[in-house]
Amino acid sequence: RKEVEQDPGPFNVPEGATVAFNCTYSNSASQSFFWYRQDCRKEPKLLMSVYSSGNEDGRFTAQLNRASQYISLLIRDSKLSDSATYLCALYSSASKIIFGSGTRLSIRP
Amino acid sequence: DAGVIQSPRHEVTEMGQEVTLRCKPISGHNSLFWYRQTMMRGLELLIYFNNNVPIDDSGMPEDRFSAKMPNASFSTLKIQPSEPRDSAVYFCASSLSTVDGYTFGSGTRLTVV
Repeated sequence: RKEVEQDPGPFNVPEGATVAFNCTYSNSASQSFFWYRQDCRKEPKLLMSVYSSGNEDGRFTAQLNRASQYISLLIRDSKLSDSATYLCALYSSASKIIFGSGTRLSIRP
Repeated sequence: DAGVIQSPRHEVTEMGQEVTLRCKPISGHNSLFWYRQTMMRGLELLIYFNNNVPIDDSGMPEDRFSAKMPNASFSTLKIQPSEPRDSAVYFCASSLSTVDGYTFGSGTRLTVV
């Protein structure tokens, strides 16, 4: 089983919609979690860290569910510019971050 | 802050040739990571350094791959000899504190023909 798993999508939603996707992880000892955004032919960029209490940044909300071992990302009032691939990541043992394969999101006008 | 700088941006080489990818981390960051990204396998960690010392190279696919970090401001990833299946985007990333996430460079798109 992969350490981090994501639905590859694509998620195709209309502008203004709310969209959410999850990411499951297998290592219950994982301590830190992240969401990265990657645009086509660009590098991944940190979108937000995921804290135990959940956190919100504008239209973006990240949640952590330790009992079920998943993290989620919710995007409200989606914009065309939100179209990208969203990678979840976790800080595993030995000081390294493991990435999921990413979920493709496409926002249509 | 110039960010993580990688060179070259694109590399096309023939099978069997040596390829050297370069990375300059963000000044002050003490950890450096080399990743490879392909459609099939996603983003894979190849090797990482902490304070210029290789910590974990378990992701390096074969002996054809080697990485060095001679000082805090420079690292190389070398493939010798290169093969078509090495074609991928190679990212370098650096961090001051891993728990705060990484900053990635723009990547090197390698094509081996």
